[in-house]
Amino acid sequence: SYGLTQSPSVSVAPGQTARITCGGNNIRSKSVHWYQQKPGQAPVLVVYDDSDRPSGIPERFSGSNSGNTATLTISRVEAGDEADYYCQVWDSSSVYVVFGGGTKLTVL
Amino acid sequence: QVQLVESGGGVVQPGGSLRLSCAASGFTFSTYAMHWVRQAPGKGLEWVASIQYDGSNKYYADSVKGRFTISRDTSKNTLHLQMNSLRAEDTALYYCAKDPVGCSGDTCFFFDFWGQGTLVTVSS
Repeated sequence: SYGLTQSPSVSVAPGQTARITCGGNNIRSKSVHWYQQKPGQAPVLVVYDDSDRPSGIPERFSGSNSGNTATLTISRVEAGDEADYYCQVWDSSSVYVVFGGGTKLTVL
Repeated sequence: QVQLVESGGGVVQPGGSLRLSCAASGFTFSTYAMHWVRQAPGKGLEWVASIQYDGSNKYYADSVKGRFTISRDTSKNTLHLQMNSLRAEDTALYYCAKDPVGCSGDTCFFFDFWGQGTLVTVSS
């Protein structure tokens, strides 16, 4: 079955840029979606179809997808961005929704 | 505005059954695929099941196939998850989620709105 790999944690200082990666075999052939989950809250979609943003999501959140790695980039990081971030794809060959293991973003 | 309110969680013994419900409002329920996603305590997200907008197709994670059944009642704008033969590893917060705007009449298999979840604990 298809697998997605995320680093367990990323740390960044306020105002800097955070990059959270999601690895998968030829992931560029799939649409990647990203969710933010703060403690005690339900996940929120922040990027879909690799690089689109839902309404209400700040432009500081952006995404890209190339080769075997998709990346969520958060510019000008704020304390309120501290959360767990999950990537997700739909694997049509196995008819399966796949989530990455999640990355905890810590704002120093 | 979109609302998804889950209910039906609780404590159940291994081998027991539970039926979760998700009351939907604020959108045309009958035209969107719906999904269940769970999260074990302190763990990541795990997809459980999906159902096409008209109920004609259902999809399940291997871990629940043959034990769980997803269904929908369009007359009541409600999504259900019947869980049988429950195991300790099914202990989790179960979220109801909807397919995104723009996927009306289709199934896009990602989630633009989530409920707050209902907790299922399987323990003797």
